[in-house]
Amino acid sequence: AQSVTQPDIHITVSEGASLELRCNYSYGATPYLFWYVQSPGQGLQLLLKYFSGDTLVQGIKGFEAEFKRSQSSFNLRKPSVHWSDAAEYFCAVLLYNQGGKLIFGQGTELSVKP
Amino acid sequence: NAGVTQTPKFRVLKTGQSMTLLCAQDMNHEYMYWYRQDPGMGLRLIHYSVGEGTTAKGEVPDGYNVSRLKKQNFLLGLESAAPSQTSVYFCASSYEEGDTEAFFGQGTRLTVV
Repeated sequence: AQSVTQPDIHITVSEGASLELRCNYSYGATPYLFWYVQSPGQGLQLLLKYFSGDTLVQGIKGFEAEFKRSQSSFNLRKPSVHWSDAAEYFCAVLLYNQGGKLIFGQGTELSVKP
Repeated sequence: NAGVTQTPKFRVLKTGQSMTLLCAQDMNHEYMYWYRQDPGMGLRLIHYSVGEGTTAKGEVPDGYNVSRLKKQNFLLGLESAAPSQTSVYFCASSYEEGDTEAFFGQGTRLTVV
């Protein structure tokens, strides 16, 4: 069955430090992968997506993610975290030819220390 | 351009009451979705629609019904609310499958007491 796992429920980093949020997926075909961010009380905003091609994708707000097929991973990174990055982050895989459904991970809550 | 709009934003129901959540999008999107978000479980798909007049079950459809009578609207109904349906509900839409992102509404926080 298709699934997405985000192993870290909560991560705290210091402002200015680097960040990596982990995402592993289980999907039989070539995955379409996404990272969304949710600020408190808000909906989800797309950070970046991977469909094909270059395995390192750039997104908004200085985020990037790297697709590694051999590890079934799509980890999100940012070189220097800002206090405004505190939010919940969701990794998702698109079920293609199945109505475009998204399967989400459990989410990782990011806290940023001053 | 409003994007995806959900109505209402907050609601408290008593067990057994019914209600309808409305999702409206003004982007001419074909695909629409209803998700529920619960702590530690991410978002789970309730029902979805791939076009006007079509609906399909998602991962957690029990206790919910949906209708897509107009392309721009996707309604989620709770016929007899239960405390287990206390959640934050998100609607999303996308133009077509795969190549575009899904746009999300701001969410509806529903409490069933």
